Amino acid sequence: GQNIDQPTEMTATEGAIVQINCTYQTSGFNGLFWYQQHAGEAPTFLSYNVLDGLEEKGRFSSFLSRSKGYSYLLLKELQMKDSASYLCASLDSNYQLIWGAGTKLIIKP
Amino acid sequence: GAVVSQHPSRVICKSGTSVKIECRSLDFQATTMFWYRQFPKQSLMLMATSNEGSKATYEQGVEKDKFLINHASLTLSTLTVTSAHPEDSSFYICSARGQKDYEQYFGPGTRLTVT
Repeated sequence: GQNIDQPTEMTATEGAIVQINCTYQTSGFNGLFWYQQHAGEAPTFLSYNVLDGLEEKGRFSSFLSRSKGYSYLLLKELQMKDSASYLCASLDSNYQLIWGAGTKLIIKP
Repeated sequence: GAVVSQHPSRVICKSGTSVKIECRSLDFQATTMFWYRQFPKQSLMLMATSNEGSKATYEQGVEKDKFLINHASLTLSTLTVTSAHPEDSSFYICSARGQKDYEQYFGPGTRLTVT
């Protein structure tokens, strides 16, 4: 079956660094997406990885290991506005997104 | 970047009535559009996938006669919730995929409340 696992909730301190992990098992693989979703709003695109390695984009970086079925989203210099849910999604062989349940990130001052 | 709009953003309707939600890709042609539903504190649940000019593909457990999807053009898809009931109250989000890449661009969502 298809499965995406990520932690339900994480807490971090403003200014710190946090890593949100995601493991996936999907029928076929065409890339891994990370989205940010604030409460009551639609998801917004953060990153897309299809090759192994680290992709850096400002304060956010995303890593992929295809052999391990593993990805993480790294957020640096955390700000209060980063409090949101972070959704991991794998693009399967039919180019359909398989979604994780999301990780709620709580930032404390 | 690619922009997707949804209308209305919020709607309150009475039980038994029908509600239509529009999803438009504003600056690109969307070959495929997706309709999701999200209940509070839960993840996105894909309801159906629609390709322009063809019938939508519904996910298991989603009633096609209740949730009517029309994708008549490359920039517009509509979801009609027929004979709405309170349990249909949810956040409905559409997304659109262009021809050039596999990223899905999300609309802002429609919050439906059925009283």
